Amino acid sequence: DQQVKQNSPSLSVQEGRISILNCDYTNSMFDYFLWYKKYPAEGPTFLISISSIKDKNEDGRFTVFLNKSAKHLSLHIVPSQPGDSAVYFCAASGLDGGATNKLIFGTGTLLAVQP
Amino acid sequence: DARVTQTPRHKVTEMGQEVTMRCQPILGHNTVFWYRQTMMQGLELLAYFRNRAPLDDSGMPKDRFSAEMPDATLATLKIQPSEPRDSAVYFCASGWGPIYEQYFGPGTRLTVT
Repeated sequence: DQQVKQNSPSLSVQEGRISILNCDYTNSMFDYFLWYKKYPAEGPTFLISISSIKDKNEDGRFTVFLNKSAKHLSLHIVPSQPGDSAVYFCAASGLDGGATNKLIFGTGTLLAVQP
Repeated sequence: DARVTQTPRHKVTEMGQEVTMRCQPILGHNTVFWYRQTMMQGLELLAYFRNRAPLDDSGMPKDRFSAEMPDATLATLKIQPSEPRDSAVYFCASGWGPIYEQYFGPGTRLTVT
């Protein structure tokens, strides 16, 4: 049973436009959320995170929004660049009250930014 | 430039053979994770160590998989015997608890024929 879901396997966006990647979770006990980016033949790299006490976190072109009531978070990339083309994973943590820093990952969304 | 290293990067083996994958976590990190990437499940957590002690290996098929940390600079994941369904990319990640961010290695692509 997937506790973290990324329902869009792929997304195609024009360069310069906004990319919006979505993630849903089922367990309201999650209290920390992260986005990772993965290029082919490389490991995932940490991109941005958000704590459940916030509803928005911004880092340059990347902004993560959290809607706790809907159990939904999204990653906005503005403006999108061809170098952003990668697989994006959503991850969540906190089920064990912080006893561990184990992450639950979604299945990923492949973003293609067209020049 | 501190990074997680994994060896080998690629491994092709025949069904029934033993496979050992190695990981060197970032110096100073006290948590190590093993993941398997599949198309259907994304990144599945196989095992998790903190301060070299195994905390969670519930994601691992116990009959054939084993994970150890002989010392703070080496983590191993062993499959014996290997099966074609084990073909996947295996990632090691390290971190510093209780910080949630994890740093991933480049992965080992395993093909079992």
